[in-house]
Amino acid sequence: GENVEQHPSTLSVQEGDSAVIKCTYSDSASNYFPWYKQELGKGPQLIIDIRSNVGEKKDQRIAVTLNKTAKHFSLHITETQPEDSAVYFCAASTNSNYQLIWGAGTKLIIKP
Amino acid sequence: KAGVTQTPRYLIKTRGQQVTLSCSPISGHRSVSWYQQTPGQGLQFLFEYFSETQRNKGNFPGRFSGRQFSNSRSEMNVSTLELGDSALYLCASTSLGGETQYFGPGTRLLVL
Repeated sequence: GENVEQHPSTLSVQEGDSAVIKCTYSDSASNYFPWYKQELGKGPQLIIDIRSNVGEKKDQRIAVTLNKTAKHFSLHITETQPEDSAVYFCAASTNSNYQLIWGAGTKLIIKP
Repeated sequence: KAGVTQTPRYLIKTRGQQVTLSCSPISGHRSVSWYQQTPGQGLQFLFEYFSETQRNKGNFPGRFSGRQFSNSRSEMNVSTLELGDSALYLCASTSLGGETQYFGPGTRLLVL
């Protein structure tokens, strides 16, 4: 079945620097790739998503890139701020079963 | 629109008891998914309901069950609670034909 691997499990960056989180997926039929941010004590919240017909998508300081050939996608956060500290999850799904397959999560720590 | 709501937010039970958690999806959403999240762990998929039918199921024992009502509200039940069932239980709703899952704040269950 589909599998999503996420790296790194923990990422510590200096405030103002960029952070990159990477995910790989196994099912070439996957066509939807969302990223979620989970703050302490809260449920995950969608921050950006991308579909397989697009190679890159940006929203202010956040961008996601997709390489269908290599079957990996990445989250890029520029000019990191303290409020970016959270756990980030990637996921992938296909049209066939409506189920999201999740990565294990990355704890992002922004150092002041 | 109001977001996904979950009740109760916190719950303490003892081993052997059973528990029922409730989830009200965003108005108009017909799909509800349930996840278990333990400390430091990712999102473990329990099951998904669509139009009162279980459409997908994860790898959890039969002690975990769920249902969905005609108004799309969903409940999950855990019977014969074990210490390892202590976790944050999240539900997420998805619109018809949509892929994005919108999460509630979760129910934190502590089994003593």
